[in-house]
Order: sequence, then C-alpha cells, then structure tokens
Amino acid sequence: AQSVAQPEDQVNVAEGNPLTVKCTYSVSGNPYLFWYVQYPNRGLQFLLKYITGDNLVKGSYGFEAEFNKSQTSFHLKKPSVLVSDSALYFCAVRPGYSSASKIIFGSGTRLSIRP
Amino acid sequence: NAGVTQTPKFRILKIGQSMTLQCTQDMNHNYMYWYRQDPGMGLKLIYYSVGAGITDKGEVPNGYNVSRSTTEDFPLRLELAAPSQTSVYFCASKIQGGAGNTIYFGEGSWLTVV
Repeated sequence: AQSVAQPEDQVNVAEGNPLTVKCTYSVSGNPYLFWYVQYPNRGLQFLLKYITGDNLVKGSYGFEAEFNKSQTSFHLKKPSVLVSDSALYFCAVRPGYSSASKIIFGSGTRLSIRP
Repeated sequence: NAGVTQTPKFRILKIGQSMTLQCTQDMNHNYMYWYRQDPGMGLKLIYYSVGAGITDKGEVPNGYNVSRSTTEDFPLRLELAAPSQTSVYFCASKIQGGAGNTIYFGEGSWLTVV
C-alpha cells in the first residue's frame, strides 16, 4: 500500500537550534514530494516541493528538504529555528503516474519552539 | 486575487440536519478538492473535480455530495449530518496538468455535529 509516514507526532526545539522533521514514503514510480505548514486555525500553506533534479530543495521561511531516494525519505530541515516556526507540518507525496486525486498526506508533526 | 475561499468558517449542526460548505477560487484552476482533517490525522480526500461538470469520489465520500457547475465553485453538501462528520474541512485547488503543481488550500471550515 502506498503511504507517507511522519514518525514524530511532536518535535520540541530551542530557538536558534537546527531542526529536522522526518518523512518517509512508500509509493510506486518516481514521487513528487511536498511539505506544507499549518498555523493554528488556518489552512495549509505550501513550503516546498521536490519534482526532479537537485536532492536539496529550498523553500519558504528558510526551510529546506533533502530527497533521499535510497532511504525513501524527504526530511524537512532548517538551520536555525524561530519561535514563529511553531506550527503543524505535513509531508505529502504524489506517486508517479498517478491520477489527479492521488496525493497522500502524512499525519503531521507538531513543531514547538521554546524561546 | 483571494485564492481559495471557504464559508462558513465555523458551524454547529444537529444530527440529521443538512448543510452546504461553499468553496470558490479565483485562480482559474481546473482541479478542486475537498479534504477533511480529523484530530491527529492527516488529510483525507472526500471528493475531487478535474473540471466543470466532472466530479469523482475520493477516499471517504460517504455522507457527502458535490457539484461543479462552474470552474470557480465546488460546494460540498452534507445531507444527514452525523457526529462522525465532526471535523475540519478544507477546500483546495490546483492548475490543471503537472503532477508537481502546488495545491492551494482554503482557510478551513470547522464543523461540529451534536
């Protein structure tokens, strides 16, 4: 079965420290990978995506993600986090050659940044 | 350019009542989606549409109906509300074609069925 896993329900990091939010996937074909962020009582906002090319993708607000095909992972990273980065982060994947509907979301990782 | 707009933002329904969640987008996107988000869960696809006049079921369509009479609008109808439909609902859209195209989400509609 095709799936996306975010193994950490919550990640706690001190402000100024580096961040990694994990995402692994299991899909057929070459995947298209996305990260979205959701602030309280808001919709999901696009952060970044990997389609092809360089495995390190840079996105909004200083976030980046690294695609690792052998480990089927697409971890979200940021070198130095801010309190304002506290939010819910979703990894999503669209399997290669999939239909319009086939976008799979992970269960989300809540990021809490302490001052 | 407002993006994806959903109304209402909050609603409380009694069991058995009906209601429609409205969704409109001004980006001329052909693809539109309705998702529900339950606590601690990812998003589940309810229905989607690839263009005006075309709709199809997603993962969790039971208890819902949709229509797509125009490119801009994609309303979601709950006919007989049940407590299991208490959730946050998100409408989304993307431009046609291109598997890697970004999906744009509305702000969400919080629905409670009591």
